[in-house]
Formats: sequence, structure tokens, C-alpha cells
Amino acid sequence: EPEVTQTPSHQVTQMGQEVILRCVPISNHLYFYWYRQILGQKVEFLVSFYNNEISEKSEIFDDQFSVERPDGSNFTLKIRSTKLEDSAMYFCASSPQGALWGVGYTFGSGTRLTVV
Amino acid sequence: AQTVTQSQPEMSVQEAETVTLSCTYDTSENNYYLFWYKQPPSRQMILVIRQEAYKQQNATENRFSVNFQKAAKSFSLKISDSQLGDTAMYFCAFMKPNRDDKIIFGKGTRLHILP
Repeated sequence: EPEVTQTPSHQVTQMGQEVILRCVPISNHLYFYWYRQILGQKVEFLVSFYNNEISEKSEIFDDQFSVERPDGSNFTLKIRSTKLEDSAMYFCASSPQGALWGVGYTFGSGTRLTVV
Repeated sequence: AQTVTQSQPEMSVQEAETVTLSCTYDTSENNYYLFWYKQPPSRQMILVIRQEAYKQQNATENRFSVNFQKAAKSFSLKISDSQLGDTAMYFCAFMKPNRDDKIIFGKGTRLHILP
């Protein structure tokens, strides 16, 4: 069964450093997403991406965050200057036709980001 | 704005028993999708079951079934013959049927299946 692959599984970084979280969505999917889950809390939407541009972003997704699809297969989330409160599990997801048919996303296994 | 509420933070049941997880939601939309996602200790998000609001028939996937009450905006998950591998966090989720719209999750119910 096709999978969404995320790397690394766990990343520890110093506060103020830049991090890039990587995702390889399912190959025929067109819509891509990042969500995050702070430990013990609910899963929150960060951003959706379609046709090489951001479709929607939440208020969490401020100027410190950016996404790109540099080579047609990878989908990355960059945090420019990490803060302690960025520590969370970050999930990438992809969908073949967005929400149009309500198929639900396929999520990756997540990257646990720890900012120290 | 849509909201999803799960009123049971944590539940425990014996193996082989049936358990029902509650979920209510609020929306002004008439057509939408509802989901239950499972998050085991590995923390991966796994789709368990989905329901289209325009379908009256409740969705079923093997031991998992839902009780969808559209007028009451209720969407509960029933797990029959529970197994140890069902131990996980369960999230109820809502999505409008618009292109690239986001999923809104509830806070989750932590389910423990006891041997």
C-alpha cells in the first residue's frame, strides 16, 4: 500500500536554528498538508499546498514557516528560527483530489521535533 | 467555524468487549465528511472509518462501525470484540467537501484495551 514517508523520524535542534522537515507524498497525489501535534494536545492544521503554492494556512503558520516542493517529489516544511514552543510532532499528509471526494488523507509517520 | 468535541478523554475496556467513543460536532454545512483516526503508540495517524453526511447508512469497517446522527450532529464510533491492538488515541475529525480544505480534529479519546 502506498505510503507517505517522512524524514527524519526525530530531530533535536537548538533554539534559533533552522530546521527542514522532509516528506515524500504518494506519487499520484496532488494536495499536500502539514499538521502538528504538541504533546498531549490535538492535531492542528498548519498549511495546505496545491499546484506549487499555498492554498490555505492557519494562524500558527507565521513568517517563520515556509513550505516548498523543490523537485516534484519532496515536500518540505522549513522553520526558520525555531522556538521552544515549536517542539511537537509534525505530520505530513497527501490526498489525491483534496477534500473534494472526502477520501481522507494519508498521513506520514511524523517527525518528532524537539527544540532545546 | 466548525468544531469537533470528544467528551471522553480516556476509556478502558476489557479485551473482547464492545466500546463506544463519542463525538459531536458543530457546523452549518449540509454536506461534509466525518472520520475516525487511530493513533497508536507509534503516533502514526491511521484512518479507521469515514462517513459522508449525505448518506444515511452508517459506515462499517469490520469490527468498527459508526452511529451517525446528522440532526443531533453526533458521530460515535463502536468497536466490537475489542483487541489489545486497538489500544490507541482515537480522533474524531470533520472536513468540508471543498478542494484542499483542512481536517478539523477533536482532542481525542485515549482508549486502553485491558487483557
